[in-house]
Amino acid sequence: SAVISQKPSRDICQRGTSLTIQCQVDSQVTMMFWYRQQPGQSLTLIATANQGSEATYESGFVIDKFPISRPNLTFSTLTVSNMSPEDSSIYLCSVLVGGALGNTIYFGEGSWLTVV
Amino acid sequence: AQSVSQHNHHVILSEAASLELGCNYSYGGTVNLFWYVQYPGQHLQLLLKYFSGDPLVKGIKGFEAEFIKSKFSFNLRKPSVQWSDTAEYFCAVITNDYKLSFGAGTTVTVRA
Repeated sequence: SAVISQKPSRDICQRGTSLTIQCQVDSQVTMMFWYRQQPGQSLTLIATANQGSEATYESGFVIDKFPISRPNLTFSTLTVSNMSPEDSSIYLCSVLVGGALGNTIYFGEGSWLTVV
Repeated sequence: AQSVSQHNHHVILSEAASLELGCNYSYGGTVNLFWYVQYPGQHLQLLLKYFSGDPLVKGIKGFEAEFIKSKFSFNLRKPSVQWSDTAEYFCAVITNDYKLSFGAGTTVTVRA
């Protein structure tokens, strides 16, 4: 398994500002992902954070809005830029841990953002 | 692209009742299957997972799930629920691109 720490855990943000969420993992992992969970919704993958290169974004998500850094195998950041109330969500960092039988994805506790 | 369907949006039941949540996925290759649970105000937790072998897998808190390959299903069950099982339950699938696809989730409300 993996222990994933996210900061901040919660924040209230002003419209038009940007916020950076940090994700720290207790072990080196190859694959890290960022998900969003809007109120009352399921989880949607934003992007795969690639170590040493640009993140790979899913359809509907762009780098200008959600810039991601991945400087090493244990750390990543997600920035939510120029926030609007529609960005109020839980943002979750996750990592893929491979085992002999298969792969499991573990999640951080999430960063609960409210944009006012 | 793979997709995951959860049949029930909201399930309401009484304590000691049995629970079964349906999950189907659309992918013909090798899959890793998961159920996650999210208790009110808390983060996502892994309930159980299936990789291979025995299609009946047991997870935490008395939950189990059965993988039926021919039906592309991975239904979650618990014989006797408790009030503390009130939560949102998500079925999810990893395929060979290592990405996790989630179902829409099922809200389970257990009445005391």
